[in-house]
Amino acid sequence: GESVGLHLPTLSVQEGDNSIINCAYSNSASDYFIWYKQESGKGPQFIIDIRSNMDKRQGQRVTVLLNKTVKHLSLQIAATQPGDSAVYFCAENGGPTGANNLFFGTGTRLTVIP
Amino acid sequence: NAGVTQTPKFQVLKTGQSMTLQCAQDMNHEYMSWYRQDPGMGLRLIHYSVGAGITDQGEVPNGYNVSRSTTEDFPLRLLSAAPSQTSVYFCASSDPDTTYEQYFGPGTRLTVT
Repeated sequence: GESVGLHLPTLSVQEGDNSIINCAYSNSASDYFIWYKQESGKGPQFIIDIRSNMDKRQGQRVTVLLNKTVKHLSLQIAATQPGDSAVYFCAENGGPTGANNLFFGTGTRLTVIP
Repeated sequence: NAGVTQTPKFQVLKTGQSMTLQCAQDMNHEYMSWYRQDPGMGLRLIHYSVGAGITDQGEVPNGYNVSRSTTEDFPLRLLSAAPSQTSVYFCASSDPDTTYEQYFGPGTRLTVT
């Protein structure tokens, strides 16, 4: 099966600092990557996505970087706020069950210290 | 537009009991899927469907059945619940013609004793 993992299971940052959450993937054939945020007791919410033909994509306060050479994905959150505290998952598409399916990493818990 | 809805929110079953987790979406998405999420783990794909009348297995299909008689509904059935199926279950949908992004429901927390 696919392997999508994270370097750090937990991350604590001071309010106002920037956060960087990392993710490694193993399937060279994946052409779509996505970050989700999951708050306690809720379903995952879309943050940002990126196609494999891009290296960087920016949203509001978030940036995703894709390094296909080393199969690495990162999520940068600028000026982290208490509301950013959550578990963040990266996911990639593809694998033996088809391109429409997403495969998730184990998640990183981000805690913002006021 | 309610998005993806799931019922019930919580359920407790005894070993061997059966039940159906309901999932519905009102976005006219062709693709729907079921995931389970265990503590400290990411979401794992159970079953998925690319359209009405079509279903297929994901990573962890054993112990679960699905059907897709309409575009809107994608129920997940546990025929004989086991403690190993204690988990949080999420349903999701997407429009693969435009994006692989999946929209998730709020989840069903299932405990099997």
